[in-house]
Amino acid sequence: EIVLTQSPATLSLSPGERATLSCRASQSVSNYLAWYQQKPGQAPRLLIYAASTRATGIPARFSGSGSGTDFTLTISSLEPEDFAVYYCQQRSDWPITFGQGTRLEIK
Amino acid sequence: EVQLVESGGGLVQPGGSLRLSCAASGFSFTSYAMSWVRQAPGKGLEWVSTISGSGDNTYYPDSVKGRFTISRDNSKNTLYLQMNSLRAEETAVYFCAKDLPSSWASDYWGQGTLVTVSS
Repeated sequence: EIVLTQSPATLSLSPGERATLSCRASQSVSNYLAWYQQKPGQAPRLLIYAASTRATGIPARFSGSGSGTDFTLTISSLEPEDFAVYYCQQRSDWPITFGQGTRLEIK
Repeated sequence: EVQLVESGGGLVQPGGSLRLSCAASGFSFTSYAMSWVRQAPGKGLEWVSTISGSGDNTYYPDSVKGRFTISRDNSKNTLYLQMNSLRAEETAVYFCAKDLPSSWASDYWGQGTLVTVSS
């Protein structure tokens, strides 16, 4: 099973700042890596798939990079609505696995 | 507009069974794989199962293999999850999700249905 490790567990930033979230895989997942945003009481929302492709309707301030085992989600300038929990997911091999999540909180 | 509406959650005793349904609309249901993902209270996301568009191929993690069965009725645009021998630790919100082509990710999610396994 491919283990995804996200860091940091919690990130405290202010609106307007840049956020950098990391996801590391225990073995190569090529570019089969997706990022999701989840707010309390809501379903996850797809942000990025294929490591760097923004999903439909996702603002350009969200970007993804990486391949193999190291991936990054960057939010260039935080908006108030961006404070949430972010998960990475790999679809390179069965079983599909998620990272444990990074909580992005307002400083 | 893509819509996914789960139903069938509720309270069940340990060792019991439950069948979840997910009614889909707004897209060509047979063309896409579908998945179930669960989230225990206050915890992260856990993949439960995926089924191909035709229904010919199904996938499970070891934690539910042999107890859970994913299926779909393409004539009714409905996805199912039959859950048997349920355990207390499987108390969670269960989400159904539509997959992108080539299963890159899940691009649309339902609102979830709560399953509580307790005596």
